[in-house]
Amino acid sequence: SQTIHQWPATLVQPVGSPLSLECTVEGTSNPNLYWYRQAAGRGLQLLFYSVGIGQISSEVPQNLSASRPQDRQFILSSKKLLLSDSGFYLCAWKARAGELFFGEGSRLTVL
Amino acid sequence: AQSVTQLGSHVSVSEGALVLLRCNYSSSVPPYLFWYVQYPNQGLQLLLKYTTGATLVKGINGFEAEFKKSETSFHLTKPSAHMSDAAEYFCAVSDGSNRDDKIIFGKGTRLHILP
Repeated sequence: SQTIHQWPATLVQPVGSPLSLECTVEGTSNPNLYWYRQAAGRGLQLLFYSVGIGQISSEVPQNLSASRPQDRQFILSSKKLLLSDSGFYLCAWKARAGELFFGEGSRLTVL
Repeated sequence: AQSVTQLGSHVSVSEGALVLLRCNYSSSVPPYLFWYVQYPNQGLQLLLKYTTGATLVKGINGFEAEFKKSETSFHLTKPSAHMSDAAEYFCAVSDGSNRDDKIIFGKGTRLHILP
């Protein structure tokens, strides 16, 4: 069966520091992968999605970037964090039938 | 482009009462529609989905939703609320033809269950 993992689960970083959140999927090949950010009262904001290795679509201009170095690995990065980058970050993969399966989430606090 | 509107950021119902969470969508192509549930500090879990066929869809935990094309709605219901249903619920839409890989979520509705 397919599984998806994110890490770290929680992260506290100072403003201006770099960020790397990692997501891996097991049990499927060539999945569509997604990064969402969840802020209180704002629902889930789609940040990036990828349909294949090296293929990244960005939905919102921002301080973040994404990369897909391997088929089942999706990384969210920043060179210099801002206070506004705080939030709950969710990685997901898309099944053939169209639904998303989510990781456990990564809570980022920028101080 | 698709969009989703969830009416009511907070809904409170008494234990045993009917649960109704509202979702309206906008899509220029036949949509796929989803409801997800999120418990605190966890990822989202799929409750149910509509792709094609029967418009009344049954999901886990006794929830169901009905796709009404004429009303562009996909409201979530449960006949009798349980304390364990307290969570945040998200409606989502995607392009059913899969030409567009984006899946768009509503802002969510937090369901409170009153004893």
